[in-house]
Amino acid sequence: EAEVAQSPRYKITEKSQAVAFWCDPISGHATLYWYRQILGQGPELLVQFQDESVVDDSQLPKDRFSAERLKGVDSTLKIQPAELGDSAMYLCASSLGPGMNTEAFFGQGTRLTVV
Amino acid sequence: EDKVVQSPLSLVVHEGDTVTLNCSYEVTNFRSLLWYKQEKKAPTFLFMLTSSGIEKKSGRLSSILDKKELFSILNITATQTGDSAIYLCAVSEFYFGTGTSLTVIP
Repeated sequence: EAEVAQSPRYKITEKSQAVAFWCDPISGHATLYWYRQILGQGPELLVQFQDESVVDDSQLPKDRFSAERLKGVDSTLKIQPAELGDSAMYLCASSLGPGMNTEAFFGQGTRLTVV
Repeated sequence: EDKVVQSPLSLVVHEGDTVTLNCSYEVTNFRSLLWYKQEKKAPTFLFMLTSSGIEKKSGRLSSILDKKELFSILNITATQTGDSAIYLCAVSEFYFGTGTSLTVIP
């Protein structure tokens, strides 16, 4: 069964260091999402890609976060420098695309701890 | 401001009980409402609702949407310990509520 792949599963980093997460969506899924989920809260959308283009990054803290999906397939989310408040689960999801009205499929997530 | 509100925030029931989880929303560009189940990992999809009044069912779970009153409910009958999880409501894939934490006691 096709899955959204994310790596690493866990990451511990020191404050002010750079950290990067990788996501490989389900093959053929044009839309890719990055979410941040803080314990006890629902996922918060950080950025949405349609193919290689950013559709929505209004909630992405652009002073320290960046995301790219250069060839419209896999994607990388980067934080530089990391802060203590960035500790959270980072979830990647993909779907067929806008107008398809299908669900998003989630990867297993990367749990980030900033110390 | 777009928002999704779920209630209750947490719920503890005994096996065999029936529970109803609520999700109300205010979004400017509604396409669909989705329910997900989240255990100690990524959310897994339960239902997608796009039309009012049409119940979706899967085993002991069912859900319905009211687009006039802007809410949805998720029902779970004859609850089992395996139903213990956080249930998330999302609107148009983007806006998630904070979830309802369900604990089913044997």
